Amino acid sequence: EDQVTQSPEALRLQEGESSSLNCSYTVSGLRGLFWYRQDPGKGPEFLFTLYSAGEEKEKERLKATLTKKESFLHITAPKPEDSATYLCAVQVYGDYKLSFGAGTTVTVRA
Amino acid sequence: DSGVTQTPKHLITATGQRVTLRCSPRSGDLSVYWYQQSLDQGLQFLIQYYNGEERAKGNILERFSAQQFPDLHSELNLSSLELGDSALYFCASSRDRSDEKLFFGSGTQLSVL
Repeated sequence: EDQVTQSPEALRLQEGESSSLNCSYTVSGLRGLFWYRQDPGKGPEFLFTLYSAGEEKEKERLKATLTKKESFLHITAPKPEDSATYLCAVQVYGDYKLSFGAGTTVTVRA
Repeated sequence: DSGVTQTPKHLITATGQRVTLRCSPRSGDLSVYWYQQSLDQGLQFLIQYYNGEERAKGNILERFSAQQFPDLHSELNLSSLELGDSALYFCASSRDRSDEKLFFGSGTQLSVL
């Protein structure tokens, strides 16, 4: 069974304090790994898709990287508006669904 | 705004009852997905429809059913409700059947008392 594990469960940062979130996965035939952001009371919002080991994607203060067993979401010099739950998901070949991890809740204090 | 509309936003009902959740996908999107999110289970895939046909099934209970209509809106029917069915139910849509970029609605918060 496909498994997606995110760590840590929660992360409290001071504004400007860079950090990384981890997403490790155990799947057969990874088609893609995805990062979503979810704000309280809202649906997840798409951030990135990574397809192969070594790939990197950036958006503002966020940078996602992928290896053969895990992905990292780096938050550089975070601001309070970066506070959210960050979800990692995988899709395997032959399957249309996304399997999500439990998420990492990031709180950035001013 | 993702362009995906879910109604109602909140639903409070009693055990044993039946409810219907509605989803209108983004304009032009043919694929609709239903997910359940609870504190202990995270975001769990329930079912996917593509252009009116069921494409994939996840951990959906037999008490739950869904359909996608010719105008592409979808409904999720939950029956014989139990306390454990209380959760946030999300609908998401995408352009085609394997597009991984999903656009999520704001969800329906279901409370079973």
